[in-house]
Amino acid sequence: QQQVKQSPQSLIVQKGGISIINCAYENTAFDYFPWYQQFPGKGPALLIAIRPDVSEKKEGRFTISFNKSAKQFSLHIMDSQPGDSATYFCAASFIGNEKLTFGTGTRLTIIP
Amino acid sequence: DAGVTQSPTHLIKTRGQQVTLRCSPKSGHDTVSWYQQALGQGPQFIFQYYEEEERQRGNFPDRFSGHQFPNYSSELNVNALLLGDSALYLCASSPTGLAYEQYFGPGTRLTVT
Repeated sequence: QQQVKQSPQSLIVQKGGISIINCAYENTAFDYFPWYQQFPGKGPALLIAIRPDVSEKKEGRFTISFNKSAKQFSLHIMDSQPGDSATYFCAASFIGNEKLTFGTGTRLTIIP
Repeated sequence: DAGVTQSPTHLIKTRGQQVTLRCSPKSGHDTVSWYQQALGQGPQFIFQYYEEEERQRGNFPDRFSGHQFPNYSSELNVNALLLGDSALYLCASSPTGLAYEQYFGPGTRLTVT
């Protein structure tokens, strides 16, 4: 019940396009959903996060969409750039048990 | 403002040896969490320290232990190293009262031969 399932495993998007990565969770107690970006050989960097009291959060070109009833959330990267090429991880946790449970990652490649 | 720092960057150890990894949290952060990330996988939670005590622990054996110091820095110790312990070890720190908001360091790459 602690799993977070992430798809797709890899994604290729043209420069300027929209990249969409999806995650689904099982534990309805989760109430914090962050997305991390990781470059090779580096630690994950916190990109954006959402709590279940809102359905969408936008920061610059990055948007999280959250569907509580479906237990799904997604990351949208607008106007994708070659510098966005990285591995993206969704994660989830809940107050009182703040360990992050990570998805399996999506390797995003932005092509010119 | 320095972010989370970890040392060493890389480490090579032999099976059966012991290793100590170090982490300094971001300024103003008092909670430290440790994760293990195998190649091609997402990070797995090892444990979390707050006020110098282990607050939570993931599904890792007792060979993995830790410590937090009064200045909030932390150590991860692994005894009796196995080949399967080869991974990137990540430290994350959190602001006071926001233990779920975790900022990661660059990690220590441990190779066990």
